[in-house]
Amino acid sequence: QSVLTQPPSVSAASGQKVTISCAGSNSNIGFNSVSWYQQFPGTAPKLLIYENSLRPSGIPDRFSGSKSGTSATLDITGLQNGDEADYYCETRDESLSSVVFGGGTKVTVL
Amino acid sequence: QLQLQESGPGLVKPSETLSLTCTVSGGSIKRTSHYWGWVRQTPGKGLEWLGSIYLSDYTYYNPSLRSRITMSVDTSKNQFFLNLSTVAAADAAVYYCAKHMWLRNYFDYWGPGIPVAISS
Repeated sequence: QSVLTQPPSVSAASGQKVTISCAGSNSNIGFNSVSWYQQFPGTAPKLLIYENSLRPSGIPDRFSGSKSGTSATLDITGLQNGDEADYYCETRDESLSSVVFGGGTKVTVL
Repeated sequence: QLQLQESGPGLVKPSETLSLTCTVSGGSIKRTSHYWGWVRQTPGKGLEWLGSIYLSDYTYYNPSLRSRITMSVDTSKNQFFLNLSTVAAADAAVYYCAKHMWLRNYFDYWGPGIPVAISS
């Protein structure tokens, strides 16, 4: 059971928008910034969003992140077939003294 | 462009020590504020942070592994290391090394990962 709760899967048609939630608590998301990662099968996670809403160089603006209270959200707009992957949120938990990841969300393009 | 590469045995016997090396290229491991971390992934537990190290000065370990984990750095070889003692079947995973911006709380460069099996 992950400290950060993500839906196991989300789906939408090509061109549409998906939203992935990451629910935490005051000791993690409520206290620290959130990062998001994209992972394709058999490859390493790739940084998608850091410090809640910033995109590394090369990440399209179709990907956006936000944080409110003890939850964070990753939005993917203009969904493409190439966006089919697993997405993970991550932050630090002060009570656990540990970096924690969400359980991951599989995005499917219908 | 920074690159990381894990190396080590792909098979470890139960109760023995898992030792992995991460070689960093395209940048110095001594760079200020850059921590270096290990993350593993199993189908059952997803992504799990193991620990992060800054030069040889600061180490942070996952409390669940603190009694078994040791990390170190060799700046002359631009490498950092993971030792996990007394391994069991639950330690079988893909192990990733990554550059960890500890203070800003994200991993921005990852190695491709190395699968490690635990079996006698």
